[in-house]
Amino acid sequence: AQSVTQLGSHVSVSEGALVLLRCNYSSSVPPYLFWYVQYPNQGLQLLLKYTTGATLVKGINGFEAEFKKSETSFHLTKPSAHMSDAAEYFCAVSESDTGRRALTFGSGTRLQVQP
Amino acid sequence: DSGVTQTPKHLITATGQRVTLRCSPRSGDLSVYWYQQSLDQGLQFLIQYYNGEERAKGNILERFSAQQFPDLHSELNLSSLELGDSALYFCASSVEQLNTGELFFGEGSRLTVL
Repeated sequence: AQSVTQLGSHVSVSEGALVLLRCNYSSSVPPYLFWYVQYPNQGLQLLLKYTTGATLVKGINGFEAEFKKSETSFHLTKPSAHMSDAAEYFCAVSESDTGRRALTFGSGTRLQVQP
Repeated sequence: DSGVTQTPKHLITATGQRVTLRCSPRSGDLSVYWYQQSLDQGLQFLIQYYNGEERAKGNILERFSAQQFPDLHSELNLSSLELGDSALYFCASSVEQLNTGELFFGEGSRLTVL
């Protein structure tokens, strides 16, 4: 079975500061990993994904994440936070052996950006 | 705009009632997924259809059912509603059956059961 743990349900940073949102996964086979963002009153939108290949993945809006197999982690970072980054972020996993398995989402991390 | 359309956006009903939520996927997408988002359970996968056939089942209650029609739109039927069914129900679509790609989410249908 696959699962995702997001450490910290709320993260607050100052504008211009580093953003670090943590995600650890559990999967019995090589995982596919995703970060989605949800703005208020909207659906989820894909930020970035890792399937195979380069372990450092770049996404939209300046975000990136690094797949670390030894740590079973896929943390999301952004060097400099912007007010528009305030949203809820979800890490998700699916298993590569059977593509039929739908995404399993973490519980989400709400990011606040202080002026 | 993701291209996924969900109706209704808001729905208020009473316990014991039945409701139907509708989803139109992005043009060309064959897979439809239903998710339930609530404060206590987070985002829970309910069910997936691919080109009219059920492909995967998650934590979907027996009181809930879904189908995907030949025109690829999907409906989620919730019956014998309970207070705990109050949640935001998302539909998502993707072009492929496999989960290596991107899911496109609608804006959700917010169900309130009184």
